[in-house]
Amino acid sequence: ETGVTQTPRHLVMGMTNKKSLKCEQHLGHNAMYWYKQSAKKPLELMFVYSLEERVENNSVPSRFSPECPNSSHLFLHLHTLQPEDSALYLCASSQKVSPTLAGGPSYEQYFGPGTRLTVT
Amino acid sequence: KQEVTQIPAALSVPEGENLVLNCSFTDSAIYNLQWFRQDPGKGLTSLLLIQSSQREQTSGRLNASLDKSSGRSTLYIAASQPGDSATYLCAVSERNKLVFGAGTILRVKS
Repeated sequence: ETGVTQTPRHLVMGMTNKKSLKCEQHLGHNAMYWYKQSAKKPLELMFVYSLEERVENNSVPSRFSPECPNSSHLFLHLHTLQPEDSALYLCASSQKVSPTLAGGPSYEQYFGPGTRLTVT
Repeated sequence: KQEVTQIPAALSVPEGENLVLNCSFTDSAIYNLQWFRQDPGKGLTSLLLIQSSQREQTSGRLNASLDKSSGRSTLYIAASQPGDSATYLCAVSERNKLVFGAGTILRVKS
């Protein structure tokens, strides 16, 4: 049990559907993250939230819409996706985001099991 | 832009062998470096975290080193077991995010 849960674990959707991915962390953390893992590509960051405020959007298309209603929950709303969006979507949390200067204290990220998304 | 490279891409060893996985990164201004394990179709399990001011960390049969100035890290696995078979990911922490390598797929044969 990692303390970070994701639902659903598997999702198949058509290109015209609207669906949402959910992440919940039970660790009392203040920062949450969405990552995407495509076949044959390294894991890449999508969004970062700190205390429910988005602090990073890594040039993600608008068909992905994140929502963080509180520090324990993070959603990824999906609409009009493309087949190339099929991937494993991973949620993570950490106590805080890293401070301004490298070399200062930093915080370990804990990952959920992921949602395997297939867009048909 | 930070780039993380892991070598080898895949490794197959007999049970009991000691092995080394390599990770290199292009920008030394990192907060920490983490090694993760990922089993097929699963999420990531954190193995070791080395803060930027540290040189190494150990946990059981695992030892990770960090040479920030040269942009290198190694993960040493002692006395490998079939249960160690997985993909091992290296990630460096920049402000607000982790930048991942593509991983090393390890297979330990019994």
